[in-house]
Amino acid sequence: SQQGEEDPQALSIQEGENATMNCSYKTSINNLQWYRQNSGRGLVHLILIRSNEREKHSGRLRVTLDTSKKSSSLLITASRAADTASYFCATDPSGSARQLTFGSGTQLTVLP
Amino acid sequence: DAGVIQSPRHEVTEMGQEVTLRCKPISGHDYLFWYRQTMMRGLELLIYFNNNVPIDDSGMPEDRFSAKMPNASFSTLKIQPSEPRDSAVYFCASSSMDRVREKLFFGSGTQLSVL
Repeated sequence: SQQGEEDPQALSIQEGENATMNCSYKTSINNLQWYRQNSGRGLVHLILIRSNEREKHSGRLRVTLDTSKKSSSLLITASRAADTASYFCATDPSGSARQLTFGSGTQLTVLP
Repeated sequence: DAGVIQSPRHEVTEMGQEVTLRCKPISGHDYLFWYRQTMMRGLELLIYFNNNVPIDDSGMPEDRFSAKMPNASFSTLKIQPSEPRDSAVYFCASSSMDRVREKLFFGSGTQLSVL
């Protein structure tokens, strides 16, 4: 079964709006990562947040982590059509990326 | 750096045939991972290598699947005999313990269709 479960499964917004995706997980983690997958391509690492961090920013991305609720959220601000992709959270129990477990993903569509 | 290179990009084969997928990791990376992606099961880790040695193959679904890494720049995933339920996208990824060890770099994948 998937360690991380994203919510919603699909999200459609207008260009310029913000997109928020959520991830829930079940076991303890060292860090949680978000990846993007464009159609027909491999996954690309976006951002990593460690278990002792609560919030992290990278450009238009903002990630939060609540270890008490075992949940994380990814916010993309001022979305662009190029942000259209699937977004996956991945949990890392050891901090070595050797046992990353990926969620089922959120399909984001940004309409021009 | 060319990134992780996988071949072929697409493979269509008939049930019972042998399939070999290939991967060239990023130079200098000492970990290599094989993942499988399907709609039903999402991304699953099949096996990973460290310094060319298989460390954990608990995700390999059956004996029909085998993986090798004869040197630091090449790995193969073989399915023999292939079955329609093996149809999926197979990804190779690499990482480095010395640098950015916590994140993976993925190839573009091999779309496998077994008829």
